[in-house]
Amino acid sequence: DVKVTQSSRYLVKRTGEKVFLECVQDMDHENMFWYRQDPGLGLRLIYFSYDVKMKEKGDIPEGYSVSREKKERFSLILESASTNQTSMYLCASSPTRVLKTQPQHFGDGTRLSIL
Amino acid sequence: GNSVTQMEGPVTLSEEAFLTINCTYTATGYPSLFWYVQYPGEGLQLLLKATKADDKGSNKGFEATYRKETTSFHLEKGSVQVSDSAVYFCALSQEGAQKLVFGQGTRLTINP
Repeated sequence: DVKVTQSSRYLVKRTGEKVFLECVQDMDHENMFWYRQDPGLGLRLIYFSYDVKMKEKGDIPEGYSVSREKKERFSLILESASTNQTSMYLCASSPTRVLKTQPQHFGDGTRLSIL
Repeated sequence: GNSVTQMEGPVTLSEEAFLTINCTYTATGYPSLFWYVQYPGEGLQLLLKATKADDKGSNKGFEATYRKETTSFHLEKGSVQVSDSAVYFCALSQEGAQKLVFGQGTRLTINP
């Protein structure tokens, strides 16, 4: 089975801090994704990556950046954390770019609180 | 643009009741359709999928049929259990893109 591992389940940070959320997948997937999940809004895509050192903006990239230096690892960076970034963050991966029929595999999420 | 609309929750049912969670979509072409489930404290898991019109996806007693004429992908289960309590997300993916578009999620609670 595919395993997507997020480094922290719960994280508490202060306003203005630089925050790193890490995600690792073990199935050599090409695609990796970062979402945030908020009540009533479902999942919203922040950034995604099709390949090492590649990144694409999703629907809500403002205030975030990402890094993909190795194929298995995709990091989400909050450059200067703000209280409106308090949320559940979910990482996902999928095998290849080409096929629309492939599902995404999700980690368990990181619940981030910004005080 | 592409979008997915789910019935608003929360939905509360008794054990062994029949479940329907409505999902309709707007998309060009022929998207693939998915249902994901999120149990408390966990990430999303794929529940079932359908990749073309009239396909029926099924898993764990849940079913959904890809209806292109009504642009719908409603989730059904004949007899729910307490362990089905979770949040359910409908989603679509479009040709040429690996992005999923999600509905807002429906929280389901099953009482014994």
